Amino acid sequence: DAKTTQPPSMDCAEGRAANLPCNHSTISGNEYVYWYRQIHSQGPQYIIHGLKNNETNEMASLIITEDRKSSTLILPHATLRDTAVYYCIVVRRDDKIIFGKGTRLHILP
Amino acid sequence: DAGVTQSPTHLIKTRGQQVTLRCSPKSGHDTVSWYQQALGQGPQFIFQYYEEEERQRGNFPDRFSGHQFPNYSSELNVNALLLGDSALYLCASSDRAGTEAFFGQGTRLTVV
Repeated sequence: DAKTTQPPSMDCAEGRAANLPCNHSTISGNEYVYWYRQIHSQGPQYIIHGLKNNETNEMASLIITEDRKSSTLILPHATLRDTAVYYCIVVRRDDKIIFGKGTRLHILP
Repeated sequence: DAGVTQSPTHLIKTRGQQVTLRCSPKSGHDTVSWYQQALGQGPQFIFQYYEEEERQRGNFPDRFSGHQFPNYSSELNVNALLLGDSALYLCASSDRAGTEAFFGQGTRLTVV
């Protein structure tokens, strides 16, 4: 079973920052937080991952709370191409990825 | 780098038949995982192969089997196809360090 809770859907205006929350209250010390997204009819795409510290790459930023029980994925300037289902996943580095239901993000023009 | 490639992209089979799907991992990756994604659902883990052996398995019947070859490519076999096996089948590869997994575009299987 997925170890995360995400809102089923969210809207964001084009050009604004999209903030996607994720709760993972039962996360273990050796588990990472990974984010993937899936654009319609394509395979999932890796976005970012982190353990304790906040992380940033060319796609997004990941903010993890100090107690590690929740996190937020931030897409700084959302575009229509960011419309997708976003999956928050908690997993050990060498373990299988278990997908939950994710958040369907709609970017509004 | 071609990334993860899957073949075929689409396939139509008749109930009761057998099917084989193929996956070539990203260069440098030695671990291959297979997922089934029904319409409107998230991907469901089928199994994972490493060093030519099944390392982990999800809650799928024995009709689903796989193989990994010395070059790390993999096959997914499904026997006695059911209408409910219609889905997008995804392959993902990763390296031993377990960093991010890369997914292929999937094989769309339709069972009629």
